[in-house]
Amino acid sequence: GAVVSQHPSWVICKSGTSVKIECRSLDFQATTMFWYRQFPKQSLMLMATSNEGSKATYEQGVEKDKFLINHASLTLSTLTVTSAHPEDSSFYICSASPEVGLSNQPQHFGDGTRLSIL
Amino acid sequence: AQSVAQPEDQVNVAEGNPLTVKCTYSVSGNPYLFWYVQYPNRGLQFLLKYITGDNLVKGSYGFEAEFNKSQTSFHLKKPSALVSDSALYFCAVRDEGGSYIPTFGRGTSLIVHP
Repeated sequence: GAVVSQHPSWVICKSGTSVKIECRSLDFQATTMFWYRQFPKQSLMLMATSNEGSKATYEQGVEKDKFLINHASLTLSTLTVTSAHPEDSSFYICSASPEVGLSNQPQHFGDGTRLSIL
Repeated sequence: AQSVAQPEDQVNVAEGNPLTVKCTYSVSGNPYLFWYVQYPNRGLQFLLKYITGDNLVKGSYGFEAEFNKSQTSFHLKKPSALVSDSALYFCAVRDEGGSYIPTFGRGTSLIVHP
């Protein structure tokens, strides 16, 4: 159980394009989901915490107008990279936990999205 | 505040030998500790966790980790490494009385040589 599905797995697009990434919890409800960015051979960088029905909480240094997060339902959060440029190329990963209020529970991660901007 | 350190960027081990991937942590209260594994172009997979109780925790794929409160460590171990264990390993910590957002270590690349 506790499966998180992320789509697409790989996107290649031209500079200036907006790209939407979906993160779905398939067998549980997630009031909170997390979006991470990972550079090659580096750790996860938390970008934002996505909250169902309310605005996302962005980490310092992350442009909220650049990385739009929508968490419209208990099973779906989306990350839209607006007017993407080559420097936005990265590996984006989402995660969620069935009971986020219980800090002793592990997170369940999507398989990530490899974004390449030409 | 909570923090976690993985002092090694890379660990090399021969197949069949025991492996250890190190992790140390810092929290104000009691720690909740996690290990995850990441294969290339994939998300992270949960391996094991320590919440309370027995200091030796067993997890998936034959991995185990030992919680040491005095040394504030939670090293990941496996008695006999497989080539297929080669991956990126992340340690994470949450403070029991703190934020539900975990802090991840920078990751350790494990390379198991045939």
